[in-house]
Amino acid sequence: DGGITQSPKYLFRKEGQNVTLSCEQNLNHDAMYWYRQDPGQGLRLIYYSQIVNDFQKGDIAEGYSVSREKKESFPLTVTSAQKNPTAFYLCASSGTGSFYGTGELFFGEGSRLTVL
Amino acid sequence: AQKITQTQPGMFVQEKEAVTLDCTYDTSDQSYGLFWYKQPSSGEMIFLIYQGSYDEQNATEGRYSLNFQKARKSANLVISASQLGDSAMYFCAMRFSSGSARQLTFGSGTQLTVLP
Repeated sequence: DGGITQSPKYLFRKEGQNVTLSCEQNLNHDAMYWYRQDPGQGLRLIYYSQIVNDFQKGDIAEGYSVSREKKESFPLTVTSAQKNPTAFYLCASSGTGSFYGTGELFFGEGSRLTVL
Repeated sequence: AQKITQTQPGMFVQEKEAVTLDCTYDTSDQSYGLFWYKQPSSGEMIFLIYQGSYDEQNATEGRYSLNFQKARKSANLVISASQLGDSAMYFCAMRFSSGSARQLTFGSGTQLTVLP
């Protein structure tokens, strides 16, 4: 089935360690996104990528890094510089086309990161 | 500044009744898109319905309809004949024409509980 796969679903990290969250999509979408969700809050954009080998910072990019070497993959690294990394991380993708099309985001099931 | 506001942190509805979830937005853009997503306790984000700012008719998708009042800058979600499976977090989101790619800005969400 087509969709977005995030792994791992649960991850524990010690303070000072970097951790990488995987996001793979087989929807042939050009654009991919990473959002962060804190308890009881909405989603905030970390990074997004419209095409391979290109990505832009979102609203809360500090302490995070990404790469987009393949169309299907958009991994997110949570670095030790991120002061409060415990959160739920959601990856999404969308197809290109007219702005006036629906163009909804398709989401993965999320990765829950806990810093011990 | 672009902003999405959901003023109802929690809502309760009796099974089989209709419920309205509020969403207001603030933008100076003329072209924009409005989305509603459902997030069950499992965490994934499920796209429900879309309304374009130039759409003259309110969007409908099955039991979901969007009460779009452009002059009031509101885009309320109406769920008819509520079911127990509708219990979830609901997010209003907006795509602005001045934004890049198809990134969405999300509200803080409304937790809906359907009572048997």
